[in-house]
Parts: sequence; C-alpha cells; structure tokens
Amino acid sequence: SYELTQPPSVSVSPGQTARITCSGDTLGDVYTWWYQQKPGQSPVLVIYQDNKRPSGIPERMSGSKSGNTATLTISGAQAMDEADYYCQAWGNNNALFGGGTKVTVL
Amino acid sequence: QVQLVESGGGVVQPGGSVRLSCAASGFTFSGHGMHWVRQAPGKGLEWVAFIRYDGKTQYYADSVKGRFTISRDNSKNTLYLQMNSLRAEDTAVFYCAKDGFGSGHFFEYWGQGDLVTVSS
Repeated sequence: SYELTQPPSVSVSPGQTARITCSGDTLGDVYTWWYQQKPGQSPVLVIYQDNKRPSGIPERMSGSKSGNTATLTISGAQAMDEADYYCQAWGNNNALFGGGTKVTVL
Repeated sequence: QVQLVESGGGVVQPGGSVRLSCAASGFTFSGHGMHWVRQAPGKGLEWVAFIRYDGKTQYYADSVKGRFTISRDNSKNTLYLQMNSLRAEDTAVFYCAKDGFGSGHFFEYWGQGDLVTVSS
C-alpha cells in the first residue's frame, strides 16, 4: 500500500536549521501539506501546496519538493517549534499522512 | 473565526456504536467539505472520512469502510460520524476538520478533538 515516510525524530539546536523529509513513490505528482501538533493540542496547518505559508505562520517555516521527496525546513529553530510534524497528500479519494516526526530543540 | 466543537465521545463496548457530532461556526458550513481524522493514543494521524459540501459524496478509509458513516445537516451547521461495530483499535481522539481544496483535499482548520474509548 502507498505510504509517506518521515524520520521518527529530528533534533536541532536553538537558532539552527531543522529539515524534515517526507517521501512517497508518487509524491512528486501531487501537492504536499504539513501540519504541526504540539502536545495536547490539535494539529495546525503550517504549509500548503508544497511551499505556501498560511497567514500567521512564521517565515522561518518553509516547504520545498524535489522529485518524490518533500521537505519542511525550520530556519532559526526556537523552543516553541518543538512539536510533532506530519506531511499529508491526497490521492485516489483518500488522504494519507506520514508517520510523523518529533522535532526536539535542545 | 472558525470554530469546530466535537461531542458525543466516551467509553463504548466492543461491537457497540456511537455517534460523534461536530458543531461548526465562523464560516459558511454549507459551502465546504468536511473531514473526520483520528489519532490513537501516542500514535500518528489517520484520515477517516470526507463528505462534500452538499452531502452527496463521501469517501472513507479502508479501515472504517462499511462500519462508519459520515453525514451532515447543513441546516444545523453540524457534521456527524456514526460508528458501528467498534473495535479496540478504533480507540482514538477523533477530530473534525474543515476541508480546504487546492488541487487536493487538506485540513484547513481542526476541532479540539473528542476521545472515543472502545473497551469492555
């Protein structure tokens, strides 16, 4: 079955850059969306259509795609960016999420 | 502002049924598709179902097809999820989410979630 693969965890020092990848066999043919979920909270959309930021999302969050791999980049990571991040795609009348990546800022 | 408030969750026995509701406000409910997404304790997100703005089209994840039914009442600005033949593995926080569409469906806004526990 089709899957989106993310690394389980990423660690970053404050002020440095974190990159979270999401790969899938046909991800290059569809858009990718990214969500941030902090402990005990609902997910929040942080990137849509591969690389666009909703209003209110800080500029340090950015998205990109190369081939079948999408990347969420957090530039100048802050303690408040510590959270789980999920990629998502839509195809065959189904939504699919990646397994999630826990970002630790330390 | 968009508000989505889920209700109806709780403890249900295996094989039992429960209906979740999601009260929507802050946007034109009848003009937007809606989703249910769930998250098992300590696990990732899993999409459950989608319903078109007018209720005429529904899509389901394979894991719930034939057991769950998504529906809506546009006159009440309310989304529903009828869950039958529940199993232990259905235990999760269930979120309703407002559909965004941009060459693919996504989840523009989320509710706070409602916990359904399937246990005897």
